[in-house]
Amino acid sequence: AIQMTQSPSSLSAYVGDRVTITCRASQDIRNDLGWYQQKPGKAPKLLISAASSLQSGVPSRFSGSGSGTDFTLTISSLQPEDFATYYCLQDYNYPLTFGGGTKVEIK
Amino acid sequence: EVQLVESGGGLVQPGGSLRLSCAASGFTFSSYWMHWVRQAPGKGLVWVSRINSYGSSTNYADSVKGRFTISRDNAKNTLYLQMNSLRAEDTAVYYCATSTPSGLLTWGQGTLVTVSS
Repeated sequence: AIQMTQSPSSLSAYVGDRVTITCRASQDIRNDLGWYQQKPGKAPKLLISAASSLQSGVPSRFSGSGSGTDFTLTISSLQPEDFATYYCLQDYNYPLTFGGGTKVEIK
Repeated sequence: EVQLVESGGGLVQPGGSLRLSCAASGFTFSSYWMHWVRQAPGKGLVWVSRINSYGSSTNYADSVKGRFTISRDNAKNTLYLQMNSLRAEDTAVYYCATSTPSGLLTWGQGTLVTVSS
């Protein structure tokens, strides 16, 4: 199975900060990677697909980049509603695998 | 409104069985592949299983292979997960989700399965 290593596991940031989360795949997954946001007690929400395609309705401060094995989720200016846990998910092959998650907290 | 509603969770003893359901509405269920994803208390997301739109092709995580069976009834717009030989480590909130070319787009609210004696 492909392993997805996500870092950091947690971070503290101020409103307005630029935040970067990375995911590394154990093998080439082309651009078959999505980013999901999960708030406490809620289901995950798809933010970005195919490594860099922003889902409809997702604010443009979110962006994704990368291909092959290294991927990045960037929040250009952190907003109060962005405090959540973020996960990457490879859908290159089965079994699908999530990264371990990054909890973004208020500083 | 596109909606997925899971049900069937609860408390079960180790070695027991449970069947989860996921009722779909607001979209053409029979056109979508479907997934189950779980999340143990305080832990991350783990993919469990996937089924194609016809129900003829499935995939499973190694941790559930041979114990869990995913199925669907397109006439009833319902996805299922039959869970047998349950273990304490299967304790989690189980989510169903639609599969699209973009990823897992629509998610249910989840149903909690607790495996404990």
